[in-house]
Amino acid sequence: SQTIHQWPATLVQPVGSPLSLECTVEGTSNPNLYWYRQAAGRGLQLLFYSVGIGQISSEVPQNLSASRPQDRQFILSSKKLLLSDSGFYLCAWNSGVGNSPLHFGNGTRLTVT
Amino acid sequence: AQSVSQHNHHVILSEAASLELGCNYSYGGTVNLFWYVQYPGQHLQLLLKYFSGDPLVKGIKGFEAEFIKSKFSFNLRKPSVQWSDTAEYFCAVNAGDFNKFYFGSGTKLNVKP
Repeated sequence: SQTIHQWPATLVQPVGSPLSLECTVEGTSNPNLYWYRQAAGRGLQLLFYSVGIGQISSEVPQNLSASRPQDRQFILSSKKLLLSDSGFYLCAWNSGVGNSPLHFGNGTRLTVT
Repeated sequence: AQSVSQHNHHVILSEAASLELGCNYSYGGTVNLFWYVQYPGQHLQLLLKYFSGDPLVKGIKGFEAEFIKSKFSFNLRKPSVQWSDTAEYFCAVNAGDFNKFYFGSGTKLNVKP
């Protein structure tokens, strides 16, 4: 069966420091991969998605970037964190075939101090 | 970008009460519709989905949703809620670019025992 791993679960970083959140999927190949940010009362905001290695689509201009160095690995990064980057970040995948739904990881709670 | 509206932000019900959560989307073409649930401390899980065919779809745990194309709606229902249904519920849509999934702001359901 397929599983999705996201780490770390929580992270506290100072303003101006770099960020790297990692997400990996097991048990499938060539998945679509997604990064969302969840804010209380505001639902899930799509940040990035990828349909293949090296293919990144950005939804919202921001201080973050994403990379997909391997088929089942998706990384969310920042060179210099801002206070406004604090939030709950979710990685998700789907098979990219037909109408397959998203499957979510457990999320990373990022606090920028 | 597509938009998804969930007008009920916080719903409080007693056990055995009936539930209906509203979801409206803005897209005139073919859509795929989803309801996700997030139980306290857990990751987002798929509750049900609609792609085509019978507009009344049934999901897990006794939930169902009805797609009404003319109203751009996909409301979630359950005839009799239980305390264990306490969670946050998210409506999602993908349309046009079917690689993108857009979520509503969520509805927090609190079921009193």
